[in-house]
Amino acid sequence: QKEVEQNSGPLSVPEGAIASLNCTYSDRGSQSFFWYRQYSGKSPELIMSIYSNGDKEDGRFTAQLNKASQYVSLLIRDSQPSDSATYLCAVGRGSSNTGKLIFGQGTTLQVKP
Amino acid sequence: DTGVSQDPRHKITKRGQNVTFRCDPISEHNRLYWYRQTLGQGPEFLTYFQNEAQLEKSRLLSDRFSAERPKGSFSTLEIQRTEQGDSAMYLCASSLKGPDTQYFGPGTRLTVL
Repeated sequence: QKEVEQNSGPLSVPEGAIASLNCTYSDRGSQSFFWYRQYSGKSPELIMSIYSNGDKEDGRFTAQLNKASQYVSLLIRDSQPSDSATYLCAVGRGSSNTGKLIFGQGTTLQVKP
Repeated sequence: DTGVSQDPRHKITKRGQNVTFRCDPISEHNRLYWYRQTLGQGPEFLTYFQNEAQLEKSRLLSDRFSAERPKGSFSTLEIQRTEQGDSAMYLCASSLKGPDTQYFGPGTRLTVL
């Protein structure tokens, strides 16, 4: 079992729809959770961070965390073609105080005009 | 530009050659991370520095790899006797403290022929 799992996709949604991206993790002691966006050939760019259970909203993006279910999600409202990218879920290891991140393999999102 | 910078952006080398990459973190960030990313995968942790001290190394970091951060500012990652399997994007990230948000540089894409 991978430490951080994501469906590789591609997830295809029409422009204006809500895109829902999901991630599960195995280390119950994990304390920090991040979503990064990565365009092809570019480096990861931070979208959201979340540390406690519940929802966190930032513009069109909402991150949701459920530590009991070991589940993190990212909702993108009013999806735009420019949102087409790979979305990486990253988890900060609870057993490590170095802050290193464990990444999932990423979910490719395609937003069709 | 006050973000993380990496140099070079691209490196093509022949198998068996040595290569060195440089990372300049965000100026006030004392934590620096190296990751490696291959096609279709998320970044994988390689090593971590807090100031000039290298505090964690992944078992992915074979004895052909060495990293330094001599004055707690920029860092270098050297790969000796490169192999084709070393072809990847090498990413540097920095943060102010852990588990704080990590900001990534543009990466160095290594191709070993």
